[in-house]
Amino acid sequence: QVQLQESGPGLVKPSETLSLTCAVSAYSISSTYYYWGWIRQPPGKGLEWIGSIYHSGSTDYSPSLKSRVTISIDTSKNHFSLKLSSVTAADTAVYYCASLYSTTWYLDYWGQGTLVTVSS
Amino acid sequence: QSALTQPASVSGSPGQSITISCTGTSSDVGTYNLVSWYQEHPGKAPKLIIYEVTNRPSGVSNRFSGSKSGNTASLTISGLQADDEADYYCCSYAGSRTVVFGGGTKLTVL
Repeated sequence: QVQLQESGPGLVKPSETLSLTCAVSAYSISSTYYYWGWIRQPPGKGLEWIGSIYHSGSTDYSPSLKSRVTISIDTSKNHFSLKLSSVTAADTAVYYCASLYSTTWYLDYWGQGTLVTVSS
Repeated sequence: QSALTQPASVSGSPGQSITISCTGTSSDVGTYNLVSWYQEHPGKAPKLIIYEVTNRPSGVSNRFSGSKSGNTASLTISGLQADDEADYYCCSYAGSRTVVFGGGTKLTVL
């Protein structure tokens, strides 16, 4: 089955750019069946949709984060990435990557999540 | 694009049934039969338990069921068990290849 694994720095300074990568295994990221997404969860709070990318490179972002988010994909490495610029303490969260079934928009496979703390 | 509205908490005794509501708008829940539900135990990644309003993935207990009426979707858990104690999140397609989550509901099994 599809496996996803997030990686990246666990600590980012305010005003800098958060960068994470999601490695996908046991499945081709070039599949036409899936979009690949990022979701975050601040400590003690609910899930928040960040955005998604298709194998073609087409992206869609949450309106509330759109100005600061970039999601990219590298099909040769079977991974996709998240960049969030100008971070503040409010961006401290567990960041998850997940697969979205393309026709019915459910997230069926999730990474384990990675905590990113924004602090100087 | 506002978060879907869920009750902050619900509770029930073992063996009982509980229902968690998820209220959206005509731009998301009301228009699309693309509501999914996730169970999240502390420290674990969310797990898909319902998709397309009523469908259960393979391996998910038939004690979990979903429904929808108008702008409100619902998750019902019957025959409550201790391991059902978790946070539950609804999620709906909201058009333009985006989704929106509910605020989450903490289920306590008494």
